[in-house]
Amino acid sequence: AQKITQTQPGMFVQEKEAVTLDCTYDTSDPSYGLFWYKQPSSGEMIFLIYQGSYDQQNATEGRYSLNFQKARKSANLVISASQLGDSAMYFCAMRESYTGNQFYFGTGTSLTVIP
Amino acid sequence: DTEVTQTPKHLVMGMTNKKSLKCEQHMGHRAMYWYKQKAKKPPELMFVYSYEKLSINESVPSRFSPECPNSSLLNLHLHALQPEDSALYLCASSQGQGAFTNEKLFFGSGTQLSVL
Repeated sequence: AQKITQTQPGMFVQEKEAVTLDCTYDTSDPSYGLFWYKQPSSGEMIFLIYQGSYDQQNATEGRYSLNFQKARKSANLVISASQLGDSAMYFCAMRESYTGNQFYFGTGTSLTVIP
Repeated sequence: DTEVTQTPKHLVMGMTNKKSLKCEQHMGHRAMYWYKQKAKKPPELMFVYSYEKLSINESVPSRFSPECPNSSLLNLHLHALQPEDSALYLCASSQGQGAFTNEKLFFGSGTQLSVL
């Protein structure tokens, strides 16, 4: 079974609009962390936001917020006020306490911001 | 310094060549990783070093040989590669505490490898 599922291969959003990128996960470990990374065409993977399994509040980092629904095992990334520079691949990832240094990545979503 | 530095940025090699990819970090991280990534695909884990010891080898062919000379450096030695090995090779590091699930990966900008 896939540990991380991203069902949107490609998304388009108008500049200045908000967009939600979906991520669901599968784990039996009660302690885990969820991450979102952005990868522009230049190739570097840029950390955006983190949510811990025991965190009571949804994480926020500037224009990025994470809609964490633990019972549904979803961790959707919300980007508000999209900018042209947000066009990139976005990967959801998970780390479990059971598996130490193993990170599980989803298949990614390609976001294009339209002027 | 929160950077992971990878060299070279681009590499073209023939199938009989021997080359090395280098990765360096000065954040005091004790876990270092090599990932392989094809275009529009997620990174695939190749190797993990924890406290300078190889802790994960994801059944990578022996034509890829990792080396961790010290806690700041990670090399990937390449020999007799195949055209299908052409990809972006990403190095990453993390604090290396193992069970702490909030440890994020810090990535380098990658080496784009082409095997002719």
